[in-house]
Amino acid sequence: NAGVTQTPKFRILKIGQSMTLQCTQDMNHNYMYWYRQDPGMGLKLIYYSVGAGITDKGEVPNGYNVSRSTTEDFPLRLELAAPSQTSVYFCASTPRTSGEYNEQFFGPGTRLTVL
Amino acid sequence: AQSVAQPEDQVNVAEGNPLTVKCTYSVSGNPYLFWYVQYPNRGLQFLLKYITGDNLVKGSYGFEAEFNKSQTSFHLKKPSALVSDSALYFCAVRVLNSGAGSYQLTFGKGTKLSVIP
Repeated sequence: NAGVTQTPKFRILKIGQSMTLQCTQDMNHNYMYWYRQDPGMGLKLIYYSVGAGITDKGEVPNGYNVSRSTTEDFPLRLELAAPSQTSVYFCASTPRTSGEYNEQFFGPGTRLTVL
Repeated sequence: AQSVAQPEDQVNVAEGNPLTVKCTYSVSGNPYLFWYVQYPNRGLQFLLKYITGDNLVKGSYGFEAEFNKSQTSFHLKKPSALVSDSALYFCAVRVLNSGAGSYQLTFGKGTKLSVIP
């Protein structure tokens, strides 16, 4: 298994541009998450999904959109990029087996800079 | 509010010495607690978790954590530190998103561990 994969690894955007961060997992996990990591701030949850066709907002959803058309893919869309969205973005997944306390598996991250 | 705190931004320890990285939590109900490690330019990796049972939890790479209900703490420990343990460590707690009726992880801000040769 490749686990959780994310593309691209790095990206520089200009203010106002848009882009999609890709996330794919091959573990047949129901739950998927998008986090952003800023220095000294830990991880903040942007959006999450409990299954195909079901998404919900996390702690910091403004400026982002998601979709979940398949179990494997959970893309994150940035519309009208702003400097405040400069961050490292992590995708994660977890199986829904024995409840809500399974560990999450993380992708390698996408480092995004908005100038 | 349900939260987790890591009171130390950085911990320095000499190689071969025991290490402790601190974590305290505040949740309603029984806590489900996790430790993750992040090496430079990498994603987070799961180390260990406490769900129920024995207060001393053993995990990957020789790490263990001690759950203390009275002190609401879940400190990460290792008897003998290695230089390769130098990384960023995150404590996390499961919290209920009451509006959505689902659970999420809330992470601490992270503690940078430096093991000095």
